[in-house]
Amino acid sequence: GQSLEQPSEVTAVEGAIVQINCTYQTSGFYGLSWYQQHDGGAPTFLSYNALDGLEETGRFSSFLSRSDSYGYLLLQELQMKDSASYFCAVKRDSNYQLIWGAGTKLIIKP
Amino acid sequence: ETGVTQSPTHLIKTRGQQVTLRCSSQSGHNTVSWYQQALGQGPQFIFQYYREEENGRGNFPPRFSGLQFPNYSSELNVNALELDDSALYLCASSDPLAGGLHGELFFGEGSRLTVL
Repeated sequence: GQSLEQPSEVTAVEGAIVQINCTYQTSGFYGLSWYQQHDGGAPTFLSYNALDGLEETGRFSSFLSRSDSYGYLLLQELQMKDSASYFCAVKRDSNYQLIWGAGTKLIIKP
Repeated sequence: ETGVTQSPTHLIKTRGQQVTLRCSSQSGHNTVSWYQQALGQGPQFIFQYYREEENGRGNFPPRFSGLQFPNYSSELNVNALELDDSALYLCASSDPLAGGLHGELFFGEGSRLTVL
């Protein structure tokens, strides 16, 4: 079967750094995506890793280790607007189909 | 450049009824996929359309069907509605390069379906 595991909830303080982990078990792997979704909103794309290593985009970074079937999203200089759910999703083949985790709710305290 | 738009935003149906949800893809995007997102869960892939043909389907029964039109807009039809079909239905479009190389999907705000 296909499964992605990520923590259900993470709490952090404004201005801090937080890491959201994702482990996956899928038949086929092209890459790992991260999406952000605010309550009642559309998922928005954050990053994509096809190769091992760290990808940095502003305050957000994403890491992938294909040998460990593991990735993480790193959010720095947390702001209150970063309070949202974060999903990891595996691109399993050359089509655009994504297999999603259940999401991590990030709660940020002042 | 307009984004992905979906209609209706909210609707209520009763068991056994049929529903049609609509999606206009982002300009220049020829691939549309549909996802079902239950409350507190991640989206589940329903199916994908590329140039009016279905080219991928998730683990959903045949009563979930779709269409893509020449302008790349799309419809999701669900027959014989069940209580468990209550969910947010998300449409996503992608362009051939960004979607293929970077795994990027552009989502609409979704249609929230409640089945009573």
